[in-house]
Amino acid sequence: KQEVTQIPAALSVPEGENLVLNCSFTDSAIYNLQWFRQDPGKGLTSLLLIQSSQREQTSGRLNASLDKSSGRSTLYIAASQPGDSATYLCAVSPGTYKYIFGTGTRLKVLA
Amino acid sequence: GAGVSQSPSNKVTEKGKDVELRCDPISGHTALYWYRQSLGQGLEFLIYFQGNSAPDKSGLPSDRFSAERTGGSVSTLTIQRTQQEDSAVYLCASSLTGTSFLNEQFFGPGTRLTVL
Repeated sequence: KQEVTQIPAALSVPEGENLVLNCSFTDSAIYNLQWFRQDPGKGLTSLLLIQSSQREQTSGRLNASLDKSSGRSTLYIAASQPGDSATYLCAVSPGTYKYIFGTGTRLKVLA
Repeated sequence: GAGVSQSPSNKVTEKGKDVELRCDPISGHTALYWYRQSLGQGLEFLIYFQGNSAPDKSGLPSDRFSAERTGGSVSTLTIQRTQQEDSAVYLCASSLTGTSFLNEQFFGPGTRLTVL
């Protein structure tokens, strides 16, 4: 059974720091991996989608990497800002549709 | 264009009552998903629609839960005889298709259900 773990569960950093969020999964047979952010009381916003054949994706200050063989993905946030404060979720797709989510990392960036 | 919308945004009900939650996916998206996010828990998959049919209902927690989709668009999740453990945020997502690995899912804002 696929299990997705995110470490740390919570993180508080001063503004301007570069930071790394970790996601690990137990079954390497995935189609893709998607990173989301969730703001309090809101739905999920897609950040980056990495297909299983890809190693990384970049969007602005965000970079996500994927190492399928070791069951790991990292989300790198450069020059963090208070507006980055949110819960970050990773999700893996073992097939063409269903997503299995991690429990998230709650990030707070202090001004 | 418009994103995924859900209604109501909040629903408070009494134990034992039935509730209906609605999801309007992004226009043209053939795949639709329901997830549940309970307090302190991760998101759990409930059901997947491809068009109007539901090839995977494996995540529905009990037979009190049902969902339908009509016209390949709007979906309704119905919970009968609600229990306190049904209290959660119910999230709907859609994607262009559910039959390709290029399956970027777009989420609605969710419906927060509270069962008293």
